[in-house]
Amino acid sequence: AQKITQTQPGMFVQEKEAVTLDCTYDTSDQSYGLFWYKQPSSGEMIFLIYQGSYDEQNATEGRYSLNFQKARKSANLVISASQLGDSAMYFCAMREGNQFYFGTGTSLTVIP
Amino acid sequence: DAGVTQSPTHLIKTRGQQVTLRCSPKSGHDTVSWYQQALGQGPQFIFQYYEEEERQRGNFPDRFSGHQFPNYSSELNVNALLLGDSALYLCASSWTRRVPNYGYTFGSGTRLTVV
Repeated sequence: AQKITQTQPGMFVQEKEAVTLDCTYDTSDQSYGLFWYKQPSSGEMIFLIYQGSYDEQNATEGRYSLNFQKARKSANLVISASQLGDSAMYFCAMREGNQFYFGTGTSLTVIP
Repeated sequence: DAGVTQSPTHLIKTRGQQVTLRCSPKSGHDTVSWYQQALGQGPQFIFQYYEEEERQRGNFPDRFSGHQFPNYSSELNVNALLLGDSALYLCASSWTRRVPNYGYTFGSGTRLTVV
């Protein structure tokens, strides 16, 4: 079974609008971390936001927020007030122990 | 403060050849992980090095091997290259005592093309 599932290969959003990127995960561990990374065409994975499995409140980092629903095992990324520079690949990832598991990514295009 | 540095940035090799990729971790980090990212896919964990030893390994054949040096830098070696080894190879570093809440710091990767 896939550890991380991202069901949206591509998404489009109008500039200044909000967009939600979906992510579900699968683990039997009680302690784990959930991450979202942005990967521009340059290839570097840029950290956006982190949610710990024991955190009760949803994480927020500027325009990024993580909608964490533990019972449903989902960790959706919400980007508010989209900017043209947000166009990139977005990866959801889960850390179990020393290893990261990544989803297949969502390509986000911001339309002027 | 330099982040993770990988070299070379691009590489073209012939099937059957061997290749060595290099990674310098972020200052203060002592653990290096390697990931393979095929086109259109998410990164896949290859292995992790700490204290100059392989600490954990993903589902990759023995053709993939690595090394970590006393200064924490690392090399990824791939022998008997196959066309399917063409990918972006990402190096990520961290401090083993505590993986920070931003996870690992990633480099920009080495794009390997096998022809």
